[in-house]
Amino acid sequence: KAGVTQTPRYLIKTRGQQVTLSCSPISGHRSVSWYQQTPGQGLQFLFEYFSETQRNKGNFPGRFSGRQFSNSRSEMNVSTLELGDSALYLCASSFRTGVNNEQFFGPGTRLTVL
Amino acid sequence: KQEVTQIPAALSVPEGENLVLNCSFTDSAIYNLQWFRQDPGKGLTSLLLIQSSQREQTSGRLNASLDKSSGRSTLYIAASQPGDSATYLCALTGGGNKLTFGTGTQLKVEL
Repeated sequence: KAGVTQTPRYLIKTRGQQVTLSCSPISGHRSVSWYQQTPGQGLQFLFEYFSETQRNKGNFPGRFSGRQFSNSRSEMNVSTLELGDSALYLCASSFRTGVNNEQFFGPGTRLTVL
Repeated sequence: KQEVTQIPAALSVPEGENLVLNCSFTDSAIYNLQWFRQDPGKGLTSLLLIQSSQREQTSGRLNASLDKSSGRSTLYIAASQPGDSATYLCALTGGGNKLTFGTGTQLKVEL
């Protein structure tokens, strides 16, 4: 069974641009969550989608948004990029939402903002 | 607000040694705790999931325990190998799939 895939793996953008990242969960998984990882802040939760609905949201500005499609694939968009948005963006998939769900992570997208 | 701390932040051991990584959390109202490893520049690999009703889980040379009342989890690695070198992260949920991550322990196993 294929794991979680994320595209692209690397991105270089300049300040003020916008970017869209994609995540395909493990087949059969309906929950997708996004995380930002930086050396200073560690891993921080962005949001979770389940059955095309946002279930939970972290403490990030509105420039960060996401969506989920009917095939459970998810996209994350960051508008008006800032230097501080440079990070490794990870998505995780799980069979369901709720409790006691093991989550599986993709390899991440490394975003560099110049 | 849940705070998750991992001690030590870094650890270097000779090959073959048994070791314990610690994870402490401030709010005992958790549902499950998951241990991950992360190799440099890579994603996270799930190692063990301890559900709220469980006290420990084992997989191969790894054993993880959970004591919610004291706010602690430990990851025990037996007979460490150079391939175990990575950053180890604990993460917990208080409901839903939102994971709150610890600060991580960077482990180096030397030949």
